[in-house]
Amino acid sequence: QITLKESGPTLVKPTQTLTLTCTFSGFSLSTSGVGVGWIRQPPGKALEWLALIYWNDDKRYSPSLKSRLTITKDTSKNQVVLTMTNMDPVDTATYYCAHRREYGDYVPFDYWGQGTLVTVSS
Amino acid sequence: QSVLTQPPSVSGAPGQRVTISCTGSSSNIGAGYDVHWYQQLPGTAPKLLIYGNSNRPSGVPDRFSGSKSGTSASLAITGLQAEDEADYYCQSYDSSLSGFWVFGGGTKLTVL
Repeated sequence: QITLKESGPTLVKPTQTLTLTCTFSGFSLSTSGVGVGWIRQPPGKALEWLALIYWNDDKRYSPSLKSRLTITKDTSKNQVVLTMTNMDPVDTATYYCAHRREYGDYVPFDYWGQGTLVTVSS
Repeated sequence: QSVLTQPPSVSGAPGQRVTISCTGSSSNIGAGYDVHWYQQLPGTAPKLLIYGNSNRPSGVPDRFSGSKSGTSASLAITGLQAEDEADYYCQSYDSSLSGFWVFGGGTKLTVL
């Protein structure tokens, strides 16, 4: 059974750096093809893809946020970490991590974490 | 402004059929990239509903179906039930810039 859970601060101040951790079980990020991505959703708004990391450490970023994002993995801990610099109130959102079973552009996000709400405010 | 365009809302009475459209462009759906659909019940995380344009994951009722043609895709729900009231999102891949995964703006389904 695949599960994912996001953790991190619920409140950050403008200009600070956000660090979120996705802890998962039921799969390994050392398995060929597997990936974990991050997606966010501002309150009442649509989903937005942020970043993705594959088993082979291939990393992809949203072009509009690339300069602010870093994604890393710790295979031994079954964790993926996302950092976002220079946080702004518009970054207030629920942040989700999600599993992808194969390498490739056509693969869906088939399992999602419950999400964690991050508020950016002074 | 989302790369994939969905109607903000649709509605239908119990038992009826509704469709939700997802319109893209030549750099995403029109380029042949698969479309996936997610259902987001109030206060919960998205759940994969349709993958690869028209495939249902195990456990998804066959009342839900997907199709794709040209630069657009559609989600159809037949035999509407009150429990179907949710937000629905389409998702694909866009090859512009350095390539990225894209979601539609979401459609709120109201069961009357």
